[in-house]
Amino acid sequence: GESVGLHLPTLSVQEGDNSIINCAYSNSASDYFIWYKQESGKGPQFIIDIRSNMDKRQGQRVTVLLNKTVKHLSLQIAATQPGDSAVYFCAENMNSGYSTLTFGKGTMLLVSP
Amino acid sequence: GEEVAQTPKHLVRGEGQKAKLYCAPIKGHSYVFWYQQVLKNEFKFLISFQNENVFDETGMPKERFSAKCLPNSPCSLEIQATKLEDSAVYFCASRYGTSYSTDTQYFGPGTRLTVL
Repeated sequence: GESVGLHLPTLSVQEGDNSIINCAYSNSASDYFIWYKQESGKGPQFIIDIRSNMDKRQGQRVTVLLNKTVKHLSLQIAATQPGDSAVYFCAENMNSGYSTLTFGKGTMLLVSP
Repeated sequence: GEEVAQTPKHLVRGEGQKAKLYCAPIKGHSYVFWYQQVLKNEFKFLISFQNENVFDETGMPKERFSAKCLPNSPCSLEIQATKLEDSAVYFCASRYGTSYSTDTQYFGPGTRLTVL
């Protein structure tokens, strides 16, 4: 039978480089966006969020950019470290009382020393 | 507690057996969400609760899946007559409320269900 494999987009970087992970979201009515980091065997961990009335938000070593025109979200990680290696998911949400998150496909970030 | 707790960590069931998963949300959080993740890939929303009331169940397979959040008890997700395709990691998330500044969902460590 056909084998089912995991085909995640993968970004490989060297320690110390800056990383950019991209996400195309689906719903133009979404007004709240979150980036999660998921390490192997663990649940998604909140990294940073942004509301649709902003186009940029910065955290510690991370920046999220939002382009509503093309429904694009990006996560920038400065000075990437081996501990940043994980799968990163973007999620979108509509704040209309319907509060379920819709997750995008993940991107695997591999950081080599 | 300060984190979402899920039990058990791993659950193995034979096809046709029942599986029951538990979730304790962060103390003070009113909303609980269940998601299914297959093959470390996308998350599929199942159901959400506002306190003990079902808030959104549009993702729930109607026939074999049920869920509850009762006062002073962990929330539960039950699968009757498990099938091989139910093998996945089931995540619970909680959220404080729907106010604009508190939309973040915080996730538990998940329960890995393996159906043999």
